[in-house]
Amino acid sequence: QKEVEQNSGPLSVPEGAIASLNCTYSDRGSQSFFWYRQYSGKSPELIMSIYSNGDKEDGRFTAQLNKASQYVSLLIRDSQPSDSATYLCAVNKGGANNLFFGTGTRLTVIP
Amino acid sequence: ETGVTQSPTHLIKTRGQQVTLRCSSQSGHNTVSWYQQALGQGPQFIFQYYREEENGRGNFPPRFSGLQFPNYSSELNVNALELDDSALYLCASSDPSRGEIYGYTFGSGTRLTVV
Repeated sequence: QKEVEQNSGPLSVPEGAIASLNCTYSDRGSQSFFWYRQYSGKSPELIMSIYSNGDKEDGRFTAQLNKASQYVSLLIRDSQPSDSATYLCAVNKGGANNLFFGTGTRLTVIP
Repeated sequence: ETGVTQSPTHLIKTRGQQVTLRCSSQSGHNTVSWYQQALGQGPQFIFQYYREEENGRGNFPPRFSGLQFPNYSSELNVNALELDDSALYLCASSDPSRGEIYGYTFGSGTRLTVV
């Protein structure tokens, strides 16, 4: 079982719609959760972090964490073509000093 | 505050050769982590350096080695290059004294192609 699993997509949504990206993780001891955005040929860019159960909102982005279900999600409201990228879920396990990444979900926002 | 910088940006090497990649950490950050990202995959942890000592290592063979210097900059060395080493190599710096683990800021990466 992989540490972090994501649907590789591609996920296509029309401009203005809500994009929903999902991620599951295997280690219940995981404490910190992150979403990165990666444009083609570029390095990953941190867009959200979440540490507690519930929702965390930042502009058009909402991260949701459910530790009981070992599930993290990212919602992008009012999706824009500039949101088209690969979204990477990353998890830090308790006591570890590194991040485990999923393979990423490729999102395409159609104008 | 300067960010994380990596050099070179692109590199082509022949199988069996050795390569050195460089990373300058963000100002005030004493920890540097290296990741390998193969095409279509997420970044994989190679190792981390804290105050010039290796502080954790992922599932990579010993031919992947590193150094951290007193100014906290770092090098990643790969010996006996294999075709599968072709990837984007990412460096991130952090400051553990901030307490909870927070997300890294990555440098722009070095694209290594082994032919």
